[in-house]
Amino acid sequence: DIQMTQSPSSLSASVGDRVTITCRASQSISRYLTWYQQKPGKAPKVLIYAASSLQSWVPSRFSGSGSGTDFTLTISSLQPEDFATYYCQQSYSTLWTFGQGTKVEIK
Amino acid sequence: EVQLVESGGGLVQPGRSLRLSCAASGFPFDDYAMHWVRQVPGKGLEWVSSIDWNSDNTVYADSVRGRFTISRDNAKNSLFLQMNSLRTEDTALYYCAKDTSPNTSGSYIDYWGQGTLVTVSS
Repeated sequence: DIQMTQSPSSLSASVGDRVTITCRASQSISRYLTWYQQKPGKAPKVLIYAASSLQSWVPSRFSGSGSGTDFTLTISSLQPEDFATYYCQQSYSTLWTFGQGTKVEIK
Repeated sequence: EVQLVESGGGLVQPGRSLRLSCAASGFPFDDYAMHWVRQVPGKGLEWVSSIDWNSDNTVYADSVRGRFTISRDNAKNSLFLQMNSLRTEDTALYYCAKDTSPNTSGSYIDYWGQGTLVTVSS
């Protein structure tokens, strides 16, 4: 199975900060990488698909990049509603796998 | 509006069975692959199983293969997960989720239900 490793596992940041989360795959997954955001008590929501394509309802401060094994999710200017846990997920293999999550907390 | 409503969760003893259902509405159900994803409260997401639009292809995580069976009834806009030989480690919130594609390769989830809680305990 393809393993997905996110870093960091958690981070503290302030409103307005630029935040970067990385996701590494155990083998090349081309650009079959999706980022989700999950808030406490809620289902996840898709942010980025195909590594860098922004889902239609997602603000432009979110962006994604990468291909192969290394990927990045960037929030250009953190807003209060962005404090949440973020997950990457690969669909290169039919056996999907998620990263362990990155919790973004208020500093 | 896309809606996915899971049901069938509850408390069950180890070794017993449970069948989860997901009622879908607001989109042409038979055009899309579907998934089950679970989450232990306070922990991360774990993909469980996928089924393509016409049930030709089903896929399972190693942790549930041979015990769980995914199925769908396109006439009734419903997705199912039959869970047999349940273990304590199967305790989780189970989400039903819609794919963006008829097939499960190279795609992603664009809508999630709110989940149904399964607790496996004696």
